[in-house]
Amino acid sequence: GAVVSQHPSWVICKSGTSVKIECRSLDFQATTMFWYRQFPKQSLMLMATSNEGSKATYEQGVEKDKFLINHASLTLSTLTVTSAHPEDSSFYICSARDPGQLNQPQHFGDGTRLSIL
Amino acid sequence: LAKTTQPISMDSYEGQEVNITCSHNNIATNDYITWYQQFPSQGPRFIIQGYKTKVTNEVASLFIPADRKSSTLSLPRVSLSDTAVYYCLVGDTNSNSGYALNFGKGTSLLVTP
Repeated sequence: GAVVSQHPSWVICKSGTSVKIECRSLDFQATTMFWYRQFPKQSLMLMATSNEGSKATYEQGVEKDKFLINHASLTLSTLTVTSAHPEDSSFYICSARDPGQLNQPQHFGDGTRLSIL
Repeated sequence: LAKTTQPISMDSYEGQEVNITCSHNNIATNDYITWYQQFPSQGPRFIIQGYKTKVTNEVASLFIPADRKSSTLSLPRVSLSDTAVYYCLVGDTNSNSGYALNFGKGTSLLVTP
């Protein structure tokens, strides 16, 4: 079945550094991937839609210069949190679906726990 | 995207059947109903998906009435490991550009001995 892999699973870094998170579709090509953020005891919130070969679409209130998204290939999307600060600490999750098959659900990565000191 | 409403929390004992109902009054013709399970510090895991009537797989059943304005996830004989948050979502799964899932608050299920 469709598998989405996310890396790293846990990141701890100092305030002001930039952090890159990778999302890969392992056995299918994904023209579209989605990035979510989840704070403790809250639901997932969609941050942006990553489109292969074009600019990402950001949800209202999400700073595109803060959260850089690159979808350079059909199996890889990256989210870079630039100049991270403690308020950026959260659980980041990506998802994708196999567009080549009908009625297929979104599959999610295992998430990346980002802690900014 | 259709908005969903489900109970915030439910409690159950081990071995019981658990039914979680979700309301989606504004579901569109092309929308499918999908349920996910999420454990702490993990991404949501696909449980089951359906369009109408009943769908069953090895872990759950999904009941969808004719008007499709609600759906019920049925977990038979739950165990302690079924303690998790369960999300009900609706969307057009066949959208060529993919579709973003609008997560509601989910239902926090607690299973106790």
